[in-house]
Amino acid sequence: DSGVTQTPKHLITATGQRVTLRCSPRSGDLSVYWYQQSLDQGLQFLIQYYNGEERAKGNILERFSAQQFPDLHSELNLSSLELGDSALYFCASSGGDGSNEKLFFGSGTQLSVL
Amino acid sequence: AQTVTQSQPEMSVQEAETVTLSCTYDTSESDYYLFWYKQPPSRQMILVIRQEAYKQQNATENRFSVNFQKAAKSFSLKISDSQLGDAAMYFCAYKWWGAQKLVFGQGTRLTINP
Repeated sequence: DSGVTQTPKHLITATGQRVTLRCSPRSGDLSVYWYQQSLDQGLQFLIQYYNGEERAKGNILERFSAQQFPDLHSELNLSSLELGDSALYFCASSGGDGSNEKLFFGSGTQLSVL
Repeated sequence: AQTVTQSQPEMSVQEAETVTLSCTYDTSESDYYLFWYKQPPSRQMILVIRQEAYKQQNATENRFSVNFQKAAKSFSLKISDSQLGDAAMYFCAYKWWGAQKLVFGQGTRLTINP
């Protein structure tokens, strides 16, 4: 168990809908990262938050947004969902800003858009 | 742009034997980290081993060791005394020192034959 908790584990929704994925980092970790794993794109970095502030942005679509709350949990919001958004979404955390640290991954949220 | 290539989509090995998974990467940076992650059927991403590019000594973690060839930009993973529990997808990943994101290869599916 990595100590990173993601909910829900599975999510099935329809095109055009909006969903929220939740992540609780390991106790004491300040950074949260979101990754997307899909069959065609592989594992791709979406975004990182450090102590409530956006620190780095990757291949995140404009329809997607994230935030990190004062208690350090994070949410990834996906809107106007398309079939191609079906993927496994991982959250990871690290103690500092991520420069030189190991990442600890959650078990992921499997999103299916029908 | 940094890229990571795993040329073996699938590998198989007999239980108790040794297997080597290949990874090459492309970067113009001199300071970086390389990782091998394991993703079993449970989907969780588990860190297997980490190598700092400035270290000449190859990293080892119990039955797992790497062959890091910096000039050739090669980073292979050797699994000794393979066990059934080693069956998983293995991902090679790169991170530039000071950067936040991991760049992943496409993965190698490892099957262990009893």
